[in-house]
Amino acid sequence: GAGVSQSPSNKVTEKGKDVELRCDPISGHTALYWYRQRLGQGLEFLIYFQGNSAPDKSGLPSDRFSAERTGESVSTLTIQRTQQEDSAVYLCASSLGVEDGRTFGSGTRLTVV
Amino acid sequence: GENVEQHPSTLSVQEGDSAVIKCTYSDSASNYFPWYKQELGKRPQLIIDIRSNVGEKKDQRIAVTLNKTAKHFSLHITETQPEDSAVYFCAASMGGYQKVTFGTGTKLQVIP
Repeated sequence: GAGVSQSPSNKVTEKGKDVELRCDPISGHTALYWYRQRLGQGLEFLIYFQGNSAPDKSGLPSDRFSAERTGESVSTLTIQRTQQEDSAVYLCASSLGVEDGRTFGSGTRLTVV
Repeated sequence: GENVEQHPSTLSVQEGDSAVIKCTYSDSASNYFPWYKQELGKRPQLIIDIRSNVGEKKDQRIAVTLNKTAKHFSLHITETQPEDSAVYFCAASMGGYQKVTFGTGTKLQVIP
């Protein structure tokens, strides 16, 4: 597609429920990243995928967080047993290669009530 | 790991004046430094980047400088306009390494 697409754009969920966030990267971009942005704060790295290599999961805050990517296409970020502190905007980005600038999606605003 | 510090956290300038945002990084191995602009409620967008083999890069009213010895880099915006108002993030990463570490952001307000 023309840009990085994320869905849903907004998600309100009850504490304890699981949520799944989706990211469609730009076609041909081998690298895909997930970031978390809390209100008024900077971007917090979560996870990185590069082609078929093992992902870098070093930014995932707990084992409730997981992500998958099939080849060089869609990625899903799953948060299990959501907590209120998980409320944030979750941004996905992709780049042609690891050393190229990232194009961000519009994000998913997650609110845990 | 890498630590990126960004200053100031907020910056107000009169339209037409220049704005400077400064960042420092901790890992001397970092060699890629992008800057992102995030307008209110919108996604971050890459506006300029610099690699460690150059000391300065310009793109119209925006320039970035890099001092590898001191481990700091700066964003310079000249002739600021109201549409420059946004949060600006600096970042650093090691070439060939995937994890870009972002600064905490600078909220720039350009007063007409």
